[in-house]
Formats: sequence, C-alpha cells, structure tokens
Amino acid sequence: AQKVTQAQTEISVVEKEDVTLDCVYETRDTTYYLFWYKQPPSGELVFLIRRNSFDEQNEISGRYSWNFQKSTSSFNFTITASQVVDSAVYFCALSEALYNFNKFYFGSGTKLNVKP
Amino acid sequence: DGGITQSPKYLFRKEGQNVTLSCEQNLNHDAMYWYRQDPGQGLRLIYYSQIVNDFQKGDIAEGYSVSREKKESFPLTVTSAQKNPTAFYLCASSIEGGTSGNTIYFGEGSWLTVV
Repeated sequence: AQKVTQAQTEISVVEKEDVTLDCVYETRDTTYYLFWYKQPPSGELVFLIRRNSFDEQNEISGRYSWNFQKSTSSFNFTITASQVVDSAVYFCALSEALYNFNKFYFGSGTKLNVKP
Repeated sequence: DGGITQSPKYLFRKEGQNVTLSCEQNLNHDAMYWYRQDPGQGLRLIYYSQIVNDFQKGDIAEGYSVSREKKESFPLTVTSAQKNPTAFYLCASSIEGGTSGNTIYFGEGSWLTVV
C-alpha cells in the first residue's frame, strides 16, 4: 500500500488562478513528519516545508499555504495567484523513524503547469 | 555556498560498463542518501549512510554500490549488474539520519543513460 498518495498526476491552470495539490498519507506512528518539495525542470528537489504530527496549524508563506488535517490524513498545498515560475513537479513526503533510521516515503508527484 | 554537488550532470554508459556518480556536500551533514527517480514516479532509496565508513542498503540496492570514506563524499557506482540503469539519480543529505523529521536536502541530480 502506498504510504503517500498524490492522486493528481498533472494539473494545468492559467496564471493567477489558485491551485491546490492534494496529499494523503498513511501511518501508524504518532510521531511523524510531512514535507513538500518542488522539482523544477532543472531537476533539483527544493525543500518547501516541514510539519510535525503534533502541529496542525495551517501555515502560510507568501503565496503558499498548507492545510494539515490529521482527521483525514491529508497535507494539502495551495498556491494562490499562481505564476509561470510555479510550474514544476511537487512531491509530498512522509518521514517516520524506522529502526533508528529517518525513513522517507515520497508520493509519485503532481506536475503543475501554469500557463500565461 | 553550502550545498550538495553532483557530477556529472549527464552520463552515458555502454552495456556492461560500471559508472560512478559523484556526490559531495559541504553542509557538515552526517547522513547521506542516494535516490533513483524514474519518469512519472516518486523517489526510491538506493543506499544511505548515517556515518562515515558505514552504509546500508535501501529499497532498490541491487546492482549498485557505494562507499563513505569521507564525511563529505558519498559516490554511487552503477554496476553492470543493474539491468535497467537509465534514470535520474539524486544525492541527498541530512544533519543526521537516525531520527524522523530531519529535513533531507538534495543535489541537482545526474541523468544516466545506457546506450
């Protein structure tokens, strides 16, 4: 079973539209961490945000916001007023401690196309 | 600037050849990782190292080998035993690798193509 599911394979929007990228995770641990990364066409994964399982406060950073809901095991990412530079593949990831190892589980990614 | 440097960016391998991908970090991180990314898929862990002179197999280690002789370096060798090596390879590091939640930072990746 997938630990992290990003059901949206690809999304296309027009510039200035808002867009939400979905992420659903599965874990039995009470302590875990959730991440979002951005992968632009150049290839490098860029860290965007880290959230621990005890902090369900939503987070906003500029045009980016994240909605963490333990009740639905979701950690969704919203871009407000999207821009062409937001075009990238976005990965959601779950981190658990597995036999003293910081194990990461990545979703399959959502490709976001922002058209001018 | 602090970061993770991978080289080469693009590499072509002939059938039956071993190739080595370089990964160097100057972040003073203890833990380093190698991931493989295939088109349209997520990242899969090949090998990881939590400390110098120690490394462990990840989920898809067959056909790969690594070494960790220095804290800042974690080269990956793709051997001829790897039957389908064409992929994008990402090196990463974290301050330590024993507890959950430490952010993993990535290099720019290396494209390997078998010709």
